[in-house]
Amino acid sequence: DTAVSQTPKYLVTQMGNDKSIKCEQNLGHDTMYWYKQDSKKFLKIMFSYNNKELIINETVPNRFSPKSPDKAHLNLHINSLELGDSAVYFCASSRGQGARNEQFFGPGTRLTVL
Amino acid sequence: DQQVKQNSPSLSVQEGRISILNCDYTNSMFDYFLWYKKYPAEGPTFLISISSIKDKNEDGRFTVFLNKSAKHLSLHIVPSQPGDSAVYFCAASALGDMRFGAGTRLTVKP
Repeated sequence: DTAVSQTPKYLVTQMGNDKSIKCEQNLGHDTMYWYKQDSKKFLKIMFSYNNKELIINETVPNRFSPKSPDKAHLNLHINSLELGDSAVYFCASSRGQGARNEQFFGPGTRLTVL
Repeated sequence: DQQVKQNSPSLSVQEGRISILNCDYTNSMFDYFLWYKKYPAEGPTFLISISSIKDKNEDGRFTVFLNKSAKHLSLHIVPSQPGDSAVYFCAASALGDMRFGAGTRLTVKP
């Protein structure tokens, strides 16, 4: 059983399109995250949700909108995709907030914007 | 503004020898440090952590050392095994905000 799953695994799309990446965790965790791994390989936090409420929102363009329909899901919607959005996006979850709560990562979604 | 830096993008070590992965940080507010390991096509997985009140934490073959005055931490793997070949990310946290380095690709040769 996959603890944190993301779909799709690969996403290739044209500039200007709107796309969504889904994330689900079956660990019963309260906190979920979205990270972006850019071309320089840095993993950067984008958003953090705790019990469906937004906790962290880094300086991410408002074209990115996370949506948490319930504690087990945190989906990422991206409007008007740009070339610079090409990256690998990782979803993660943890029992609670803070780094002392081990984060479990999904396998990643490689987004390519043409 | 990269607050966590892993200056070696890659490291190659012979099986059975020690692997030392290094990480430097700039934010003195960081009080908790972690290492994550990542295999290709998978997400990172937690490996080991250390609180700023300690200078060493050991878990089997893995030991993390923290030098707060130098704002430096390192991960030692001994003995290294081919299955340790992966990308290792250093991470640091302050007030719940976690920052990752760019990773070091470790290759352990049989």
